[in-house]
Amino acid sequence: LAKTTQPISMDSYEGQEVNITCSHNNIATNDYITWYQQFPSQGPRFIIQGYKTKVTNEVASLFIPADRKSSTLSLPRVSLSDTAVYYCLVEKLTGGGNKLTFGTGTQLKVEL
Amino acid sequence: GAVVSQHPSWVICKSGTSVKIECRSLDFQATTMFWYRQFPKQSLMLMATSNEGSKATYEQGVEKDKFLINHASLTLSTLTVTSAHPEDSSFYICSARGQGLGEGYTFGSGTRLTVV
Repeated sequence: LAKTTQPISMDSYEGQEVNITCSHNNIATNDYITWYQQFPSQGPRFIIQGYKTKVTNEVASLFIPADRKSSTLSLPRVSLSDTAVYYCLVEKLTGGGNKLTFGTGTQLKVEL
Repeated sequence: GAVVSQHPSWVICKSGTSVKIECRSLDFQATTMFWYRQFPKQSLMLMATSNEGSKATYEQGVEKDKFLINHASLTLSTLTVTSAHPEDSSFYICSARGQGLGEGYTFGSGTRLTVV
């Protein structure tokens, strides 16, 4: 399982764009990069998943360079409700029996 | 998207008693479910992999006789904390992968266990 490294914490203000970078140097060819969001006392929630280049959905964008050894989650115009822990994981897309290894995550704090 | 229902949301029990936590996949079948434990201000730690119709696979350091897992159907996995002690107090979370590709894993809402 590829290990991921991301900043422990980040601070931002409402309306700003937040970029959280994750490194995964040992990512395998068939691994995908997935980001989850977790609020206190709740289970994690899927945000976005990608393999290479750029993926965008209604809540975030994911940028993955050609070597795929890192990825950046971009949250546009954050609000107070985006205060949460964000986890970057590497996982295989096929099958439901692949274990996930959670790293430390990044605690994002958004202020007024 | 896929939904995983976890009950109860919180439970308080006396030391020495057992507690059962249920995890249900509501709109999909889950051959495999995962159980995590999360202590305050820490990340999720995988405890075990629950396999439908077979024995669970436990991570190193997790006592299989203390944390009993049953996955009797494709939509239900249960975790029973036996002879609970205060150090078992934690946030327990289950997860499974839905049928749709590119949707990651779906997690239950978690169970806050407090042993007094």
